[in-house]
Amino acid sequence: EDQVTQSPEALRLQEGESSSLNCSYTVSGLRGLFWYRQDPGKGPEFLFTLYSAGEEKEKERLKATLTKKESFLHITAPKPEDSATYLCAVRGGGSNYKLTFGKGTLLTVNP
Amino acid sequence: GAGVSQSPRYKVAKRGQDVALRCDPISGHVSLFWYQQALGQGPEFLTYFQNEAQLDKSGLPSDRFFAERPEGSVSTLKIQRTQQEDSAVYLCASSHNMETDTQYFGPGTRLTVL
Repeated sequence: EDQVTQSPEALRLQEGESSSLNCSYTVSGLRGLFWYRQDPGKGPEFLFTLYSAGEEKEKERLKATLTKKESFLHITAPKPEDSATYLCAVRGGGSNYKLTFGKGTLLTVNP
Repeated sequence: GAGVSQSPRYKVAKRGQDVALRCDPISGHVSLFWYQQALGQGPEFLTYFQNEAQLDKSGLPSDRFFAERPEGSVSTLKIQRTQQEDSAVYLCASSHNMETDTQYFGPGTRLTVL
């Protein structure tokens, strides 16, 4: 059974204070690791897909990296508008395309 | 273009009532997924359609839950005889086809069972 664990559960940063969110996973035959952002009262918004260890993707202040056991979402010089819950999900080889999500990290960026 | 839409956005039901939740996927998307998200948790898979075929319903919590997509576009998730533990946000997602990974989510329907 695919499993995803995210840490920390919550993170408070000051504007401009860089940090990283962690996503540890166990999966049979990784077919993609996904990062989503979710604002209160809204559905998850797609950010990145990573497929193989060593892969990196960037978007504005966010950079996602992947190893064989975990993924990091690095946030550089965050702004208050980056405040949201960040969800990590995996799709395994035997999953029939479904995503298995972690519980998310609630990020708050104070001005 | 238009994203995934869901209706209603909010639904309050008395215990024992039946409810129907609607999902309009992105036009042309073959794959459609339903997820359930409890407060403070990540979404959990319920069921998956490829066109009108329901290929996986392993996540449906009980036989009170039923989903359909009769014409391969709009989907309806029906919950019969609702219970308090059914209270959650129900998310719908669609993707272009089986080979495309990215699932795009709708805003969800928040169901509260009293």
